[in-house]
Amino acid sequence: GNSVTQMEGPVTLSEEAFLTINCTYTATGYPSLFWYVQYPGEGLQLLLKATKADDKGSNKGFEATYRKETTSFHLEKGSVQVSDSAVYFCALGPDSNYQLIWGAGTKLIIKP
Amino acid sequence: GAGVSQSPSNKVTEKGKDVELRCDPISGHTALYWYRQSLGQGLEFLIYFQGNSAPDKSGLPSDRFSAERTGGSVSTLTIQRTQQEDSAVYLCASSFQLVATDTQYFGPGTRLTVL
Repeated sequence: GNSVTQMEGPVTLSEEAFLTINCTYTATGYPSLFWYVQYPGEGLQLLLKATKADDKGSNKGFEATYRKETTSFHLEKGSVQVSDSAVYFCALGPDSNYQLIWGAGTKLIIKP
Repeated sequence: GAGVSQSPSNKVTEKGKDVELRCDPISGHTALYWYRQSLGQGLEFLIYFQGNSAPDKSGLPSDRFSAERTGGSVSTLTIQRTQQEDSAVYLCASSFQLVATDTQYFGPGTRLTVL
C-alpha cells in the first residue's frame, strides 16, 4: 500500500541555516504530494503541494519538488527563521478511500 | 472567509462516558474528513463524508465510534463508553470536492482526555 517516510526529528538548526527535511514515498498511480505544518498550539496548515511529477510547490520561502524518479518530495528553505519552528508533515494522496497518507512528522527547532 | 471550526477545543471526560465532537466545515465544501492524532504519533484517518454519505466506515477504531453529517455541513463524531486509549487530538478537515487534487483544510482540533 501507499506509505510516506520522512526523516526523524527533532532537527535543530541555527537561524539563517539551510534546511532540508527528507520525504520519500511509495505509491501506486500518481498521487498528489503535500507538506503541512503545525505551529506550537495551532492546527495543521497546508504549506505547499504538488500534483504531478516535476511540479515544484513553494510558499513562505519553502520549496519542494515532486521527483517521480527518486519518489521524493524533500522540503527545503534557504534561510530559516526562529518563527519556522514547528512540526512538518509530509503527506500523499488521497488514496482510493480519499484519505491522506501521512509521514510521522519532523519537529524543527530553530535557535537564534 | 471562515475556516474549519471544531468544538469543544478541549474535552476532559471520565472513562465510560460518551462524548460528542463537532466539526463545522468551510462553507461550500462538500467533502469532510475526520483524523486522529495521538501523542507522539502521526495522523490516523477515521472516516470521510461526501455530502451526508460516509461510504466506508472501516477506518473507525471500534464500534464505539460513529459519525454523521447532516445538511451537507456540520458533522459530529461520537465516541461511546470512552476508554483511556481514546485520548488524542481529533482533527476535522474539509475540501471543496472529493477529488485527489483538492486541498484538505484542517480545523484546530479537539483535544480529548479520558481519565
